[in-house]
Amino acid sequence: EVQLVESGGGLVQPGGSLRLSCAASGFHFSSYGMSWVRQAPGKGLEWISSISGSGDLTFYADAVKGRFAISRDNSENTLYLQMSGLRVEDMAVYYCAKLMALGVWFFDVWGRGTLVTVSS
Amino acid sequence: EIVLTQSPGTLSLSPGERATLSCRASQSISNSYLAWYQQKLGQAPRLLIYGASSRATGIPDRFSGSGSGTDFTLTISRLEPEDFAVYYCQEYGDSRGTFGQGAKVEIK
Repeated sequence: EVQLVESGGGLVQPGGSLRLSCAASGFHFSSYGMSWVRQAPGKGLEWISSISGSGDLTFYADAVKGRFAISRDNSENTLYLQMSGLRVEDMAVYYCAKLMALGVWFFDVWGRGTLVTVSS
Repeated sequence: EIVLTQSPGTLSLSPGERATLSCRASQSISNSYLAWYQQKLGQAPRLLIYGASSRATGIPDRFSGSGSGTDFTLTISRLEPEDFAVYYCQEYGDSRGTFGQGAKVEIK
């Protein structure tokens, strides 16, 4: 069974840092690009970052560029999101998502999400 | 950057009725790179449609997608109780994967 399980969310103060992880199983992880998508409370979906299967290409939304860093460890089948300089507006459920195929930036598998709360 | 506008914002229908959701793009979407997702309360999104009209694995045939250029439609032919949810369109012509703001299908 293809599965994505996020972890690492929690309460952090504005300006703080947090690292999210996404453990993948049931598919050949290194063959697929991966992304992070977030959803603020009561709001819609917002793409924030993507990474190619090999990890050599990364992409960021303007809202997080320079503050967040996406990476992956293909030997551990794990995707990461390092978040720094967190703001109140970064508070959201963060989903990791698998791209369906090479070069097509839509998502056929999603994790259940991890909640990031930014508050003093 | 392409902006996607979904309408109506909320659709109130009864089980068995037909639902038609619209997704309009601010500029033409190449290769019909348009996907639709369903999200139920407290759950992750689920892929329904990609390439504007191809159903994802395991999606019932009451869900269909159509359209090209700037105008796309998701149709649910006969609403089942489990179809009441929020639906999002997504343009995926580049790595950004812009989403529409969502449209809610609620029970009348």
